[in-house]
Amino acid sequence: DTEVTQTPKHLVMGMTNKKSLKCEQHMGHRAMYWYKQKAKKPPELMFVYSYEKLSINESVPSRFSPECPNSSLLNLHLHALQPEDSALYLCASSQVGAGERNGYTFGSGTRLTVV
Amino acid sequence: AQTVTQSQPEMSVQEAETVTLSCTYDTSENNYYLFWYKQPPSRQMILVIRQEAYKQQNATENRFSVNFQKAAKSFSLKISDSQLGDTAMYFCAFSLPAYSGAGSYQLTFGKGTKLSVIP
Repeated sequence: DTEVTQTPKHLVMGMTNKKSLKCEQHMGHRAMYWYKQKAKKPPELMFVYSYEKLSINESVPSRFSPECPNSSLLNLHLHALQPEDSALYLCASSQVGAGERNGYTFGSGTRLTVV
Repeated sequence: AQTVTQSQPEMSVQEAETVTLSCTYDTSENNYYLFWYKQPPSRQMILVIRQEAYKQQNATENRFSVNFQKAAKSFSLKISDSQLGDTAMYFCAFSLPAYSGAGSYQLTFGKGTKLSVIP
């Protein structure tokens, strides 16, 4: 299995809703990432988990709450989002660092719309 | 801090022709990695090619090759025999080696070049 699987592919949520994005990989990668991508822009790093511990939080608002229950699974819990949070949310994984060996493997993303 | 610059927001190329996408970067590090990622309308970021800075030989992957000029801090991507499936956003990216610690997990992206292959 050489894929990163993200669910759901599309999500529409109201500003008072609570929802979660899910990311799964079975490549034995020990680093997992959440990126946010706005239209026609490059991805922006949000969080990095290394060996299931939060390694990097790029000053992301607390309405985004990551969770890494085990080495294969990464969640992003969403609560009280704003319309400007509408974006493509990409998950990625890697063995050690972004450049080592084969680097990152990205998922296909979740297209989030906040209404 | 590292920066990556892609000066061509959009480009187009005729099918079967060759196109070169430009990328420059800035870093004070001597060892690092450079990448080209492709993002088609299907949204998934796909690694096209990877270059290790300590290797002088330019990386090649089938129709894709790079011109890596370390002193000039330039890393261009050449696509030969362009195909319709090459239509996508192309991002140049930079990362540090694993011994850099937390910084090695971060990819620094350029703003991207939108490539259209015309039949």
